[in-house]
Amino acid sequence: KQEVTQIPAALSVPEGENLVLNCSFTDSAIYNLQWFRQDPGKGLTSLLLIQSSQREQTSGRLNASLDKSSGRSTLYIAASQPGDSATYLCAVIVNSGGYQKVTFGTGTKLQVIP
Amino acid sequence: DTEVTQTPKHLVMGMTNKKSLKCEQHMGHRAMYWYKQKAKKPPELMFVYSYEKLSINESVPSRFSPECPNSSLLNLHLHALQPEDSALYLCASSPRAGAIDTQYFGPGTRLTVL
Repeated sequence: KQEVTQIPAALSVPEGENLVLNCSFTDSAIYNLQWFRQDPGKGLTSLLLIQSSQREQTSGRLNASLDKSSGRSTLYIAASQPGDSATYLCAVIVNSGGYQKVTFGTGTKLQVIP
Repeated sequence: DTEVTQTPKHLVMGMTNKKSLKCEQHMGHRAMYWYKQKAKKPPELMFVYSYEKLSINESVPSRFSPECPNSSLLNLHLHALQPEDSALYLCASSPRAGAIDTQYFGPGTRLTVL
């Protein structure tokens, strides 16, 4: 069974700081990995998707990396802003028995202090 | 139109009621999903509609019944729910059938079962 863990569970940083969020998974036979943000009581917004054959993806101030062999992905946020405050979730997609399974991580709650 | 819409936003129901949640997307996506998210927990995948077929997570109780009237609409019928079913129900869609790529989430329906 795929288990996905995110560390730290919560993070508070001053505005302008660069930061790294971690996502670890136990089954390395993944199809792809996705990073989302979720604002309180809201749906999820897709940030980045990394295919299993890729090592990293970038979008603006965000950079996500993937190391399947070690079962890890990181989300790097440059020059953090108060608007980045949210819960960040990674989701691992694997092929299983002819269909795909999605397992979300436990999430990291980020607070960026002005 | 690049969004997934969900109705209603909030729903309060008794354990003997029958209600339905509605999810709609007009992006021409070929796959749609229902997730359940309890407070302070990550989303859990309930159902996948892909290749015009529904894939059911066998751990989901039969009191939840999905229906896909057409390729842009996915309903979730609720019957004889329990208080522990209270949660945020999220719908998502992705472009391709048979492969979970970037998922676009709706804002969710907050369900309370009394």
